[in-house]
Amino acid sequence: DAKTTQPTSMDCAEGRAANLPCNHSTISGNEYVYWYRQIHSQGPQYIIHGLKNNETNEMASLIITEDRKSSTLILPHATLRDTAVYYCIVSNTGTASKLTFGTGTRLQVTL
Amino acid sequence: NAGVTQTPKFRVLKTGQSMTLLCAQDMNHEYMYWYRQDPGMGLRLIHYSVGEGTTAKGEVPDGYNVSRLKKQNFLLGLESAAPSQTSVYFCASTDGGDRNTGELFFGEGSRLTVL
Repeated sequence: DAKTTQPTSMDCAEGRAANLPCNHSTISGNEYVYWYRQIHSQGPQYIIHGLKNNETNEMASLIITEDRKSSTLILPHATLRDTAVYYCIVSNTGTASKLTFGTGTRLQVTL
Repeated sequence: NAGVTQTPKFRVLKTGQSMTLLCAQDMNHEYMYWYRQDPGMGLRLIHYSVGEGTTAKGEVPDGYNVSRLKKQNFLLGLESAAPSQTSVYFCASTDGGDRNTGELFFGEGSRLTVL
């Protein structure tokens, strides 16, 4: 699976949009981009995934560049409950979804 | 639906003792996984299973054994616990085959301390 690079930490004011970047310059054509988050010490929670088109669900939006070498997860109106570690993962579902979690980005949402 | 349930949630062992962590899922998922997470680090895959009766090694399998005798259960065993196995263990499951989307459902974790 392709390797990803994320900033170690980010801050965001409550109510503002949180934009979390991820670089995956070695991504292959059949690899998806996944985003998960882990709040405190809980189990990771799936957020969204995409192949090449932008995706949106009730939690977030995923913007993937045209060359697929980077992506951005957008939380449109961050709240204190969005404070968590966010993981960007690239994987081919054909590999039994053996997702590799790096150290992610620690997002701190403040008042 | 309970989702993914891990038992026990906390356990303290002495070096050399054995124990089994149980993961149960009620979503009829084919694939199940065991991860470990050490402080300040990401999750690392220990073992996984793509169906009842099958298991495979992940990134860090040494010192652990697993069994998938029933589709809904995935057991992780430590035969002789070592302090290096002090960690938080997470179980996850997802659909297999054509229904697989890569969306893993995780349990709440089992915190294991080996003295």
